[in-house]
Amino acid sequence: GEDVEQSLFLSVREGDSSVINCTYTDSSSTYLYWYKQEPGAGLQLLTYIFSNMDMKQDQRLTVLLNKKDKHLSLRIADTQTGDSAIYFCAVIQTGANNLFFGTGTRLTVIP
Amino acid sequence: EAGVAQSPRYKIIEKRQSVAFWCNPISGHATLYWYQQILGQGPKLLIQFQNNGVVDDSQLPKDRFSAERLKGVDSTLKIQPAKLEDSAVYLCASSLVAQGWNTEAFFGQGTRLTVV
Repeated sequence: GEDVEQSLFLSVREGDSSVINCTYTDSSSTYLYWYKQEPGAGLQLLTYIFSNMDMKQDQRLTVLLNKKDKHLSLRIADTQTGDSAIYFCAVIQTGANNLFFGTGTRLTVIP
Repeated sequence: EAGVAQSPRYKIIEKRQSVAFWCNPISGHATLYWYQQILGQGPKLLIQFQNNGVVDDSQLPKDRFSAERLKGVDSTLKIQPAKLEDSAVYLCASSLVAQGWNTEAFFGQGTRLTVV
């Protein structure tokens, strides 16, 4: 099976950039996602990247993929207090139908 | 567009009791998933349906968990009997087709189960 690892906590000051990291074990992972979970809410898809890409930018979000190191990161520019949440990295392997989620990183934005 | 609806939002039961959760996916979504999210962990897939057929239930503890999706729309997940370690948030998600490139799965708010 796939192991997806994330650091548990990250604190940043409002206006700074946040970088949330994720590592995975299966090199056949083809689709890689970032989800956001706010308290008491379900998961919201933020962005995704295909394994043949190494970067994707979407407004304040930048996803970087290093396939060689099996490392995925999410950069949030100009972090706001509304960005405080738990961020999950998730991957799908070739031929599989479901997401493998990481443990989640709790982002706290300090005003 | 209405989202994925789940009920109840919260449930507290004693161990060895039974419990059922209900999910109404987004209209027209063929694929439905049940995930278990234990506190401090990421969600783990329990079962995936395509219409009313099971695609993957390899992680479902079948001695106590069961799920069905009658008529390929609503779904129920049942635990009988519950154990303390079943305390978790149970998330339902749906997507138009099986997850893959450019296919977003939409999640419900979840049912928080506490077994005491």
